[in-house]
Amino acid sequence: GQQLNQSPQSMFIQEGEDVSMNCTSSSIFNTWLWYKQDPGEGPVLLIALYKAGELTSNGRLTAQFGITRKDSFLNISASIPSDVGIYFCAGQMYGGSQGNLIFGKGTKLSVKP
Amino acid sequence: DSGVTQTPKHLITATGQRVTLRCSPRSGDLSVYWYQQSLDQGLQFLIQYYNGEERAKGNILERFSAQQFPDLHSELNLSSLELGDSALYFCASSWGQEETQYFGPGTRLLVL
Repeated sequence: GQQLNQSPQSMFIQEGEDVSMNCTSSSIFNTWLWYKQDPGEGPVLLIALYKAGELTSNGRLTAQFGITRKDSFLNISASIPSDVGIYFCAGQMYGGSQGNLIFGKGTKLSVKP
Repeated sequence: DSGVTQTPKHLITATGQRVTLRCSPRSGDLSVYWYQQSLDQGLQFLIQYYNGEERAKGNILERFSAQQFPDLHSELNLSSLELGDSALYFCASSWGQEETQYFGPGTRLLVL
């Protein structure tokens, strides 16, 4: 099935460092979302972006909806141990009945205390 | 807690068997989505229901089917199970058809 290109695949960082990850697509999306998944749990919504160029923050997290509507990035500032997990980007296309999400393969974040 | 509930949390069964996974959406949400998460394929959309009607289909096998009941809960039926069907199955819900989706905790299916 269709998927987004998410990078990096994994990151090992020191506590306190900033983190950046991104997603690109060959398709245009109407909405970009970022989810975090902890082991054995469902994805939890972090940030939703609805307009091209939009920059949105949620605490230490900042995400942007690319101008071309084909990409998005997520930054985490001053990482802490509880940031550990897998981060997924997801794109959503509207029109017809296509409200389903297309997911990237995830970025696995490890934080060393 | 997203407000979406899924049962059972774990399911172990044998090849050739049939199982039913259940999802209750958040209060007030009309749309239910089913996703499959496997190690090699990642999160893949299976099917969407809105207010009892099927609205979109993704990579859902013919052996799989779903329905949404009048009380808006949904069931995903997996039949003639194969080893490769072992995965996490997530349900998500949203108010409308294109609003933000909130995910349940998932059902981990192991086919032996």
